[in-house]
Parts: sequence; structure tokens; C-alpha cells
Amino acid sequence: EIVLTQSPGTLSLSPGERVTLSCRASQSVSSSLAWYQQRPGQAPRLLIYGASSRATGTPDRFSGSGSGTDFTLTISRLEPEDFAVYYCQQYGSSTRTFGPGTKVDVK
Amino acid sequence: QVQLVQSGIEVKKPGASVKVSCGVSGYTFHSYEYNWVRQAPGQGLEWMGWINANNGSTKYARGLQGRVAMTTETSTTTVYMELKSLTSDDTAVYYCARGLGGSRSFHFWGQGTLVIVSS
Repeated sequence: EIVLTQSPGTLSLSPGERVTLSCRASQSVSSSLAWYQQRPGQAPRLLIYGASSRATGTPDRFSGSGSGTDFTLTISRLEPEDFAVYYCQQYGSSTRTFGPGTKVDVK
Repeated sequence: QVQLVQSGIEVKKPGASVKVSCGVSGYTFHSYEYNWVRQAPGQGLEWMGWINANNGSTKYARGLQGRVAMTTETSTTTVYMELKSLTSDDTAVYYCARGLGGSRSFHFWGQGTLVIVSS
């Protein structure tokens, strides 16, 4: 099973700041990596798939990069609605896995 | 527009089974894998498995093998997830999810079904 590690666990930031979240896989997943946003009480929402492609409706302040084992989600400028938990997920293996999540909260 | 609509809240006793449904509308049902993901209170997302609606093949998370079964009903375009031998650790919100086109990431999600296991 491919294990995903996310860092940091929590980020305390202010609106307008730039955010960089990290996801590392225990073995290569090529570009089969997605990022999801989850707000309290809501289902997760796909932001990025294929490591760098924005899903429908994802604002262009969100960008993804990386391949193989190291991936990054960047939010260029935090908006109030971006305070949430972010999960990475790999689908390069028939057994899909999620990372533990990074919480972005208000400083 | 694809919609995944799940069944309602379930309350079960330890040792019982639960079967959650996920009704699919809007696009070709057969062409996709349907995944189940759960989230225990205050915890992260746990992938449970998928079923291929075209051929019925399945893949389950290692920790759930033997207790989980995923099926489809083509006539009603519905996907089911049954979990047996429930314990309090199975208390969670259960989600169905599906890809788009050739992408196996989870573009579409159901609204979630809360399953409570309590004596």
C-alpha cells in the first residue's frame, strides 16, 4: 500500500498570504495525485487532479505541481473561504490512499 | 450534471450489518469505478474500496477485506456498500465518489451517510 505523508499538519495564516502544502508518497505514483478541500460539515471537493490540472470550478489561485513521489499544492493568495482541511490522494495504485490532511486555519 | 444521492442516516448495534446506497444520475453509469470513502468523527478520509460498474470487479482496502462488499444494480443505476460485523470504530460518515472521463480521481461525491454504531 502506498502511504502518503502531508506536511505540515496545521498552518495558521492570515487572508492574503501565500500557502504551500506538501504531499509525499512512499513510492512513485507518477502524476496520479489529487488534492481535495474539505470544509466543516461538507463532503470533500476535488481541486486538482493529475497532479496539476484544475478541476471544474477550481479558482486559478490554486495550483498543483510535482510527479513521482513529491507534490505541492499552492494557494497564491488565501481567501476567507480557503480556510479548510486539504487532503492529497493517490490513484496510481489499484489501492487508493489518502494523506492525513493539512488544516489551514485563521491566525 | 452527475449527481450521487445517498441513503439516509443509519443507527446500528454492534455486530449488525449496514447497507448504504448511492443513486447515480446524469451520465453513463457503466463506464466508471465507484469508490467508497469514510470519515470517522474528527478524523481524516479513509478509502474503503471501489467497484467497476462495467464488469463488477472490486478492490477493497486491506483492513476491511472480509467485512465489506460493494455491489451495483444496473436497472436503478445504484451502487451499494455493505459493511458487516459493525463495531463502534465503524461510526463514520460514508461517502460514495466517482471519476470523470478517464480520470480516476474523485470528481463527484455523494452527500454522505452517517452510520452510528452504538449499543
